[in-house]
Amino acid sequence: DAKTTQPPSMDCAEGRAANLPCNHSTISGNEYVYWYRQIHSQGPQYIIHGLKNNETNEMASLIITEDRKSSTLILPHATLRDTAVYYCIVKNSGYSTLTFGKGTMLLVSP
Amino acid sequence: DTAVSQTPKYLVTQMGNDKSIKCEQNLGHDTMYWYKQDSKKFLKIMFSYNNKELIINETVPNRFSPKSPDKAHLNLHINSLELGDSAVYFCASSQDLQGGYTFGSGTRLTVV
Repeated sequence: DAKTTQPPSMDCAEGRAANLPCNHSTISGNEYVYWYRQIHSQGPQYIIHGLKNNETNEMASLIITEDRKSSTLILPHATLRDTAVYYCIVKNSGYSTLTFGKGTMLLVSP
Repeated sequence: DTAVSQTPKYLVTQMGNDKSIKCEQNLGHDTMYWYKQDSKKFLKIMFSYNNKELIINETVPNRFSPKSPDKAHLNLHINSLELGDSAVYFCASSQDLQGGYTFGSGTRLTVV
């Protein structure tokens, strides 16, 4: 599975949009982009995933560039409860599992 | 109604002991996993089961033996516990190999 690169930390003001970038320049055609987050002392939580098209659900939006070499997770109105480590993971559709990197520590402040 | 439940939540035990961690999912998922999160917070896959069959074993010492009595359960038995086994262990499940994973709340194992 392709590797991903994320900034180690980001800050966001409460109520503002949080835009978390991820680079995956070696992604191949059958690999999906997944986003998870882990709030302190809890299990990781699935947020969203996509292949080529932009995706949106009740938690977030995923924007994937046309060349698929990078993506951005958007939390439209960040709250204090969104403070967590966010993981961008690239995985193919076959017999492989999620491989977690270091992620981005997002701190949402009042 | 908990989707993926693990027991116990905390486990403190002495070196050399044998212990088990249980995991159950009520989501009707076909695939289950065990992950280990060490003190540096890295999450690493240990095992993956699909329909009760082991499909992935990521170079885990054979002191660790997963058991899947049915699709809804994946238990982890650890023999001869060592200090380095101290970590948080997460169970997870997914409908298939492509879908999102649902994680349990973790079992914090401390070996003294």
